[in-house]
Amino acid sequence: SQTIHQWPATLVQPVGSPLSLECTVEGTSNPNLYWYRQAAGRGLQLLFYSVGIGQISSEVPQNLSASRPQDRQFILSSKKLLLSDSGFYLCAWSTGGITEAFFGQGTRLTVV
Amino acid sequence: ELKVEQNPLFLSMQEGKNYTIYCNYSTTSDRLYWYRQDPGKSLESLFVLLSNGAVKQEGRLMASLDTKARLSTLHITAAVHDLSATYFCAVDMLPSNYQLIWGAGTKLIIKP
Repeated sequence: SQTIHQWPATLVQPVGSPLSLECTVEGTSNPNLYWYRQAAGRGLQLLFYSVGIGQISSEVPQNLSASRPQDRQFILSSKKLLLSDSGFYLCAWSTGGITEAFFGQGTRLTVV
Repeated sequence: ELKVEQNPLFLSMQEGKNYTIYCNYSTTSDRLYWYRQDPGKSLESLFVLLSNGAVKQEGRLMASLDTKARLSTLHITAAVHDLSATYFCAVDMLPSNYQLIWGAGTKLIIKP
């Protein structure tokens, strides 16, 4: 069966510090991978998605970036965090002909 | 502009009552997904509706899809406290098979 791992679960970082969130998927090949952000009490905002190694599509211009160095690994990064980067970050994957997404446990990021 | 609108955004109801959450969308799509999110947690896939007239049921929840009306409903029968959560609908962003357009979510509180 497929599983998705996302870490860390919580993170408190100072403004201006770098960020690296990692997500890995097991049990499937060539998944579509996604990074979402959710502000408190709000809906989901798609940040990045990837349909293959090295292929990244950005949905929202910001100081975040994503990379996919391996087929089942997706990384969200920032060189310098802003207060507005605080939120709940969710990694997800989908595969095949439908877009049903399966989510990781999420990372709650607080920038102070 | 592609939109997915949920109604209501907030619902407080008594246990034992029935209610319906509505999801309207503006794009041409025959694929719709319902998710549940508990407070502070990630999203869990509930239903995948892949054709006009599709109906899925799980326990006290039943979802249906009318692609001609661009409307999906999530019906709650004899609500129980454990169903308290935020419910999201999402629609495939055709012709892409990679992206979902998300509703804002319906926060459901069921009181004993």
